[in-house]
Amino acid sequence: DAKTTQPPSMDCAEGRAANLPCNHSTISGNEYVYWYRQIHSQGPQYIIHGLKNNETNEMASLIITEDRKSSTLILPHATLRDTAVYYCIAYSPLNSGGSNYKLTFGKGTLLTVNP
Amino acid sequence: DVKVTQSSRYLVKRTGEKVFLECVQDMDHENMFWYRQDPGLGLRLIYFSYDVKMKEKGDIPEGYSVSREKKERFSLILESASTNQTSMYLCASSPPLGGSGNTIYFGEGSWLTVV
Repeated sequence: DAKTTQPPSMDCAEGRAANLPCNHSTISGNEYVYWYRQIHSQGPQYIIHGLKNNETNEMASLIITEDRKSSTLILPHATLRDTAVYYCIAYSPLNSGGSNYKLTFGKGTLLTVNP
Repeated sequence: DVKVTQSSRYLVKRTGEKVFLECVQDMDHENMFWYRQDPGLGLRLIYFSYDVKMKEKGDIPEGYSVSREKKERFSLILESASTNQTSMYLCASSPPLGGSGNTIYFGEGSWLTVV
C-alpha cells in the first residue's frame, strides 16, 4: 500500500485559501489519490480524487505534482464549516483489474478555520 | 443519493456479550467496509468484502468477524465484547474504484461502549 503523510494540524483564516499538503512518495502508477474530510462525530465525506492531472470540483481543487509523490488540496475560500479532519488516501487495488481494493486512512490533518 | 445506514447510532454492551453491528447500503455496491475510529489513531480498517460471502482482513481484525450473506448488508460481529473495543465504528460501501465518479460512501457511525 502507498502510505501518505500529512501534517497533524493547520490553521486558516476565514475567507482565505486553505492549502493542505500530502506526501505519497511510494505511490505506484495506477494508484489514485483520494481526499475525504470528517466533521466531528460524522462519517467521512468524499471531496475529490485524481490520478495524474489536476482536478477541480465545486468543493475543492486537487494539485498533483508531476512526479506524483505529493499533492495539495485547496479550499479556495475557507469557511468556519470547513473545520474538519482532512484525509489523503492512496487507493491500493487488490488485483490487476483494479476493481477491488483496500483503502488505508492515515490520521489526517485537523484544519481549523478561524474567524 | 447513496445511503449507507448503520442500524444503531449508540450502543452500550457488557463485557463478554456478543455484539452485532449492522450496515445496509442501497446502491448495489460490490465493496463494503468496516472501520473503527479512536482518538489519535484515525480510521483503521477491520474487515472488508468485495462480494457476497467474500471477506478480507484489514489491519486490525483480531476480536472481530464479519458476515455478508446479501449484497446490501454487511455485519460486524464482536464474539465476546471487551472494553478495548469501545470505539466508533464506521461502515462504508463503494463500487469498484478508479476512473471518474466512483468513491466510497460512509455511514454516520455507531458509538459502541463496552462496560
